[in-house]
Amino acid sequence: AQTVTQSQPEMSVQEAETVTLSCTYDTSESDYYLFWYKQPPSRQMILVIRQEAYKQQNATENRFSVNFQKAAKSFSLKISDSQLGDAAMYFCAYTPRNTGTASKLTFGTGTRL
Amino acid sequence: DTGVSQNPRHKITKRGQNVTFRCDPISEHNRLYWYRQTLGQGPEFLTYFQNEAQLEKSRLLSDRFSAERPKGSFSTLEIQRTEQGDSAMYLCASSPLAVSREDEQYFGPGTRLTVT
Repeated sequence: AQTVTQSQPEMSVQEAETVTLSCTYDTSESDYYLFWYKQPPSRQMILVIRQEAYKQQNATENRFSVNFQKAAKSFSLKISDSQLGDAAMYFCAYTPRNTGTASKLTFGTGTRL
Repeated sequence: DTGVSQNPRHKITKRGQNVTFRCDPISEHNRLYWYRQTLGQGPEFLTYFQNEAQLEKSRLLSDRFSAERPKGSFSTLEIQRTEQGDSAMYLCASSPLAVSREDEQYFGPGTRLTVT
């Protein structure tokens, strides 16, 4: 079974600084997707960034970037130039790449920033 | 189209009562998912629809839970004979069928259920 582990229950960062959130996962699949979702207080979950496992290049979305280490099964999120609006619960999630079938997500327990 | 919507946003019920939640996905999305999120945890997969067909159910979905998606549009999740352990946030998500984007799930605001 696939598992996703976020070992940092809570992190803090000053405005304009950079913070890195950690995520590790376990899977026997070779092809999959990894995600970071943001869940602000009392608001809906938003997709922040997505990484395809077969792509070696790390994904970036504006101030958000990932460090994807496939061999180590590590997928960290870096937030640069942090803003007050970045305060939220961040979830790391995994799904195997099964074309034509369900892409159900397996989530970690979250990191509160 | 403003995204995935869920109703009601909050539901308080007494143990033993039945409750039903509704999810309206993004209109062009063929796939619809239900997740449950308890306090301090990440969401856990419950069930999945492709159009009107329910293709997968988690072991978390006991016999008291039933989900439908008539006509492949909105979906309902019913919980019969609610128990205190059913208290959680119930999240709905949808995704397009396009191969390049099938993995991108867009979440609704959730329905928070409290069973007293």
